[in-house]
Amino acid sequence: EPEVTQTPSHQVTQMGQEVILRCVPISNHLYFYWYRQILGQKVEFLVSFYNNEISEKSEIFDDQFSVERPDGSNFTLKIRSTKLEDSAMYFCASSGGLAAYEQYFGPGTRLTVT
Amino acid sequence: AQSVAQPEDQVNVAEGNPLTVKCTYSVSGNPYLFWYVQYPNRGLQFLLKYITGDNLVKGSYGFEAEFNKSQTSFHLKKPSALVSDSALYFCAVRKNAGNMLTFGGGTRLMVKP
Repeated sequence: EPEVTQTPSHQVTQMGQEVILRCVPISNHLYFYWYRQILGQKVEFLVSFYNNEISEKSEIFDDQFSVERPDGSNFTLKIRSTKLEDSAMYFCASSGGLAAYEQYFGPGTRLTVT
Repeated sequence: AQSVAQPEDQVNVAEGNPLTVKCTYSVSGNPYLFWYVQYPNRGLQFLLKYITGDNLVKGSYGFEAEFNKSQTSFHLKKPSALVSDSALYFCAVRKNAGNMLTFGGGTRLMVKP
C-alpha cells in the first residue's frame, strides 16, 4: 500500500540554524501539507500546496518557513533561523484531491532545537 | 474559525465491551469530519470520514462514527473493543471549502484484557 515517507526521523539542530525536512508524498496525489505537533499539544496545520504554489497557510507559517517541490517526488519544509519553540514533530501529508479526500500522513520528523 | 473538542483525555474499556470516543466540532457551513489513530512512534492513520449522506459511517478495523448535526458531534464507536485498539485517537474537521484540517486534542484509548 502506498504511503507517505519522511526523512530524517529525528533532526537535532542548534538555535539559529536552518533545517530542511523532506517528504515523499503518495505518487498520484495532488495536494501536499505540513502539520506540526508540539509535545503535549494539538496537531496544527501549517501549509497546503497545490500546483506548485501555496494554497492555504496558517498564522504559524510566517517568513521563517518555506515549502518547495523541487522535483516530481519530493516536498520539503525549510525552517530558517530555528528557535527553541520550533521543537516539535512535523508531519507531512498528501491527498488525492481537495473535496472529500482524506489526507494521508507520514510518520513525522521530530525536530529538536537546542 | 473552526474547532474540535475531545472532552476525554483517556477512555478505559474492557476487551469485548463497546467503546465510544467523543468528539464535538464547530465550523461554518457543512463540515467534513475525520477520525485518525496514532500508534506509538507512528504517524496519523486515517480511520474514517463523513462527507455527506448516511449519518453512520463505517471505517477501518470495525470502527464506525455517527454524525449528529443538531448536536455537532461525531463520536467514534466500536461494538467490541480489542486490546490492539489501544492508541491515541484524533478527531478532525475541515470546511467544505479549504484544505486545513483542525484537530482535537486527542483521546487515549486503553483497552484492558
